[in-house]
Amino acid sequence: QVQLQESGPGLVKPSETLSLTCAVSGYSISSGYYWGWIRQPPGKGLEWIGSIYHSGSTYYNPSLKSRVTISVDTSKNQFSLKLSSVTAADTAVYYCARPGDGYNWDYWGQGTLVTVSS
Amino acid sequence: EIVLTQSPGTLSLSPGERATLSCRASQSVSSSYLAWYQQKPGQAPRLLIYGASSRATGIPDRFSGSGSGTDFTLTISRLEPEDFAVYYCQQYGSSPREFTFGPGTKVDIK
Repeated sequence: QVQLQESGPGLVKPSETLSLTCAVSGYSISSGYYWGWIRQPPGKGLEWIGSIYHSGSTYYNPSLKSRVTISVDTSKNQFSLKLSSVTAADTAVYYCARPGDGYNWDYWGQGTLVTVSS
Repeated sequence: EIVLTQSPGTLSLSPGERATLSCRASQSVSSSYLAWYQQKPGQAPRLLIYGASSRATGIPDRFSGSGSGTDFTLTISRLEPEDFAVYYCQQYGSSPREFTFGPGTKVDIK
């Protein structure tokens, strides 16, 4: 059974870099799929941030591309998100996810709230 | 960028009633790339429908999806108490490669 678990600081200061990690169990990242990060500001909708393949190939939301880096560590079966120069607008619940059959998100972490505040 | 619009914003219904949710795209979307999710407060979204009309694993058959091109619909044939939630549509675009979500429809108890 595929399980994903986000971890990282819950509070980040403005202008600093947000860093999160998604640990995967029950499935080897090296076996395939593009793994993704999705966020949801409090009380608002969902926004895809970017996706990564086990080879390291990535693609990002154009609106965030200049600030986002997603990387993968297959030896630890995890992938990570870095979002630089954060502002209060980056306050959100951040989810990591894996697709199912096709271009959708079938497996989700429980989400982690990151607040940007001084 | 393809923009998704969902209507209505809120749907107030009673258990047992039929719910019809709309998702409209600013450009044609391949049916293969259209999905629907359910989200309850404090929970991660749950995949309901993929490929516009295929139910995800474990999803009850009261949920159905239809549509093509720019107009897609999620139908809940008879609302159960656990169905009151927010529903999002999502599309994948191949050029540029990106995922976009609609703003959501909240189904609440009348």
